Amino acid sequence: ETGVTQSPTHLIKTRGQQVTLRCSSQSGHNTVSWYQQALGQGPQFIFQYYREEENGRGNFPPRFSGLQFPNYSSELNVNALELDDSALYLCASSSGPAFETQYFGPGTRLLVL
Amino acid sequence: RKEVEQDPGPFNVPEGATVAFNCTYSNSASQSFFWYRQDCRKEPKLLMSVYSSGNEDGRFTAQLNRASQYISLLIRDSKLSDSATYLCVVTDTGYSSASKIIFGSGTRLSIRP
Repeated sequence: ETGVTQSPTHLIKTRGQQVTLRCSSQSGHNTVSWYQQALGQGPQFIFQYYREEENGRGNFPPRFSGLQFPNYSSELNVNALELDDSALYLCASSSGPAFETQYFGPGTRLLVL
Repeated sequence: RKEVEQDPGPFNVPEGATVAFNCTYSNSASQSFFWYRQDCRKEPKLLMSVYSSGNEDGRFTAQLNRASQYISLLIRDSKLSDSATYLCVVTDTGYSSASKIIFGSGTRLSIRP
């Protein structure tokens, strides 16, 4: 396995609520990227954190925000949940921002009712 | 037009067959290219990077055609365990930036005995 862990594994929320998803990166990795994968689609890049700073962002609204902690673990926060936010949320850790070295965690399945 | 396009499949081929997928991309400035594999309800895993000169890893061969803006994946002597979704990834990131990482929607491959 990759050594990247995510919690929780599954989550059910209602529209308008807020959610926090967590990711622990692989030992020695300082970069975490977050992706949203809707059913039948490829992952879509949300943002990346490198050494506790946001280092790039995809086409997601500001209600998607994140943090990276000194131990390089990371959180993804989504405010004002919408039905379309239902998806698998993946985090990937790497030893630097270069995409080639990313290793994915098992994901958190979010269902918004 | 999508930035990265893949034939969704499914490709259903007998064990031992050779199968090939293509993936087209729209941004001629794209720098890096990868194939990922995703098993059902699992996270994506890096299969191989795609280099300009083409590269091979056992039964898998990846090619890049910059002029026509596509990458390909060839699987020879397919095994039952090759059944998965294959995701094409295109990025225009430099080392310090992660702003443009694009996954295709994936091609489903099913190998039958």
